[in-house]
Amino acid sequence: DAGVTQSPTHLIKTRGQQVTLRCSPKSGHDTVSWYQQALGQGPQFIFQYYEEEERQRGNFPDRFSGHQFPNYSSELNVNALLLGDSALYLCASSLVGRASGEQYFGPGTRLTVT
Amino acid sequence: KQEVTQIPAALSVPEGENLVLNCSFTDSAIYNLQWFRQDPGKGLTSLLLIQSSQREQTSGRLNASLDKSSGRSTLYIAASQPGDSATYLCAVIKGGAQKLVFGQGTRLTINP
Repeated sequence: DAGVTQSPTHLIKTRGQQVTLRCSPKSGHDTVSWYQQALGQGPQFIFQYYEEEERQRGNFPDRFSGHQFPNYSSELNVNALLLGDSALYLCASSLVGRASGEQYFGPGTRLTVT
Repeated sequence: KQEVTQIPAALSVPEGENLVLNCSFTDSAIYNLQWFRQDPGKGLTSLLLIQSSQREQTSGRLNASLDKSSGRSTLYIAASQPGDSATYLCAVIKGGAQKLVFGQGTRLTINP
């Protein structure tokens, strides 16, 4: 049973550029959430996708956008990159309607903006 | 607004000791609480999930408790080992959209 996978593992971009990160949820899961984790901090919720729509959004600017595909995989796009966007980006999957609401995380994508 | 605090930020103990990590949250109307482990530069590994109707959960040498009324959870690690060295994060979730709110974590070092 494949867990949550993310690609790429590492990424280096220049300020002002755009980046796309990808996530495949755990088999059987239909909901994908994205989190940003700055060094030494806990993860911060960016947004959540279910049924190909953004279901909830955290306190992040519109430069952060996403998409969910019919196979439940998801992309996170960040435009006009800033130095402060350097972080570990984590994807989590879960199953809507499951009482426990347990979330499973992928290995993350380390984004460095120079 | 839900806030989650973990104290201490860092902890160093000798191998074999039993230890307790603390997590507190401001809004008691949570759906469940999840404890995670994170190795440096890696993703999160779920350790234990406690639903709001439960008081504790156990997995091997780990035991997590939840007291919603006081807004507290503890993670007890028995007979600590060097392999337990990692950052431990707690997160709470409210019903509905399943958004996790995390603490900043406790960085645990077990010295051989």
